[in-house]
Amino acid sequence: DTAVSQTPKYLVTQMGNDKSIKCEQNLGHDTMYWYKQDSKKFLKIMFSYNNKELIINETVPNRFSPKSPDKAHLNLHINSLELGDSAVYFCASSQVGRATVNEQFFGPGTRLTVL
Amino acid sequence: DAKTTQPTSMDCAEGRAANLPCNHSTISGNEYVYWYRQIHSQGPQYIIHGLKNNETNEMASLIITEDRKSSTLILPHATLRDTAVYYCIAHNYGQNFVFGPGTRLSVLP
Repeated sequence: DTAVSQTPKYLVTQMGNDKSIKCEQNLGHDTMYWYKQDSKKFLKIMFSYNNKELIINETVPNRFSPKSPDKAHLNLHINSLELGDSAVYFCASSQVGRATVNEQFFGPGTRLTVL
Repeated sequence: DAKTTQPTSMDCAEGRAANLPCNHSTISGNEYVYWYRQIHSQGPQYIIHGLKNNETNEMASLIITEDRKSSTLILPHATLRDTAVYYCIAHNYGQNFVFGPGTRLSVLP
């Protein structure tokens, strides 16, 4: 009964390929996120989705496209992979509201290696 | 979100209290202080948050100074499993979390 799950856990691929990472949350949250953690361990937000609508895109290249088929899923599709895309990608979810704590629940991460 | 500064690393003996400081001198009145931690190879985990008053939960205590320019996260009886990177974040409703480099806490046997 994992709260936030991601697949795959590891992804090794060649430059130029297109790949997707899937994320699912069973917490009933209305907001989901994608973060990137690079080799220097800085964790940076990429996207935020609220009720299936993109609300934040932190200047991420348009090769990255989030897809949310429903409130419980936020998949990350990456086109034309580059070496610099190698990182660990974390999905997260939260129930956002003024009266609620913004506790984000993170998935286990997907380690992407581009060769 | 206001910028926060934390020590790069700290050590703590197992069973002792771990006190992790955080400076947030430019914090605004609407910003909460959040603490998360990231154990090696895992996603970050929420610990605690507060606005003005001190807070305590089953994981930790949060002490916020009266002027709100700094805070301290206290793990009362640190265990080896508390070894992690601890992030202090000043966060306002509707904005992103901005994770800095955090403090790498090593709990030593």
